Amino acid sequence: AQKVTQAQTEISVVEKEDVTLDCVYETRDTTYYLFWYKQPPSGELVFLIRRNSFDEQNEISGRYSWNFQKSTSSFNFTITASQVVDSAVYFCALGYRGTSYGKLTFGQGTILTVHP
Amino acid sequence: EAGVAQSPRYKIIEKRQSVAFWCNPISGHATLYWYQQILGQGPKLLIQFQNNGVVDDSQLPKDRFSAERLKGVDSTLKIQPAKLEDSAVYLCASSLDVAYGETGELFFGEGSRLTVL
Repeated sequence: AQKVTQAQTEISVVEKEDVTLDCVYETRDTTYYLFWYKQPPSGELVFLIRRNSFDEQNEISGRYSWNFQKSTSSFNFTITASQVVDSAVYFCALGYRGTSYGKLTFGQGTILTVHP
Repeated sequence: EAGVAQSPRYKIIEKRQSVAFWCNPISGHATLYWYQQILGQGPKLLIQFQNNGVVDDSQLPKDRFSAERLKGVDSTLKIQPAKLEDSAVYLCASSLDVAYGETGELFFGEGSRLTVL
């Protein structure tokens, strides 16, 4: 069975602090994809990143960075020097190739609040 | 480029009534999804269309939910009769027809928030 766990329900930080959002996943498949989506108050989910299971290279995009470790089944997301505009709900998700390739399994989400 | 359009944004109905939600995906996106997001939870896939055919509807409560995408473009999700537990945000998403069924980026609409009283 596929499962995504985001143990942190809510995180509150002050602007300019670094913050890491944890994501742990479970799957029996050897080929899969991991995603992070951001859900601002307007409601739509915004794609941030996709990683496939064969690529454990960490990635940095501006203030965002992602750490993928297959050994611990984790795909953590760090925001450096957080800003108020980063306040949102962040979801980690698991997806696959094949006939149900759009069937993402989402975690419960982490509510991030960045205070000025 | 226009995003995924959904309507209505909000709907309040009494239990046992019916409701319909509409979605217009991004132009050129062959794949369309309906996800259900209950408050405090992550979205859950209800149904996936590839053009006008159903790819996956394994989590759609077919006794009360139905969805169609007749011309392979816009889609309608219907609930009849609604139950209290159907209160949720219904998110529509679309994606390009990626090769070999690889999971690519999903583009989501703002959702339709349903409250069942």
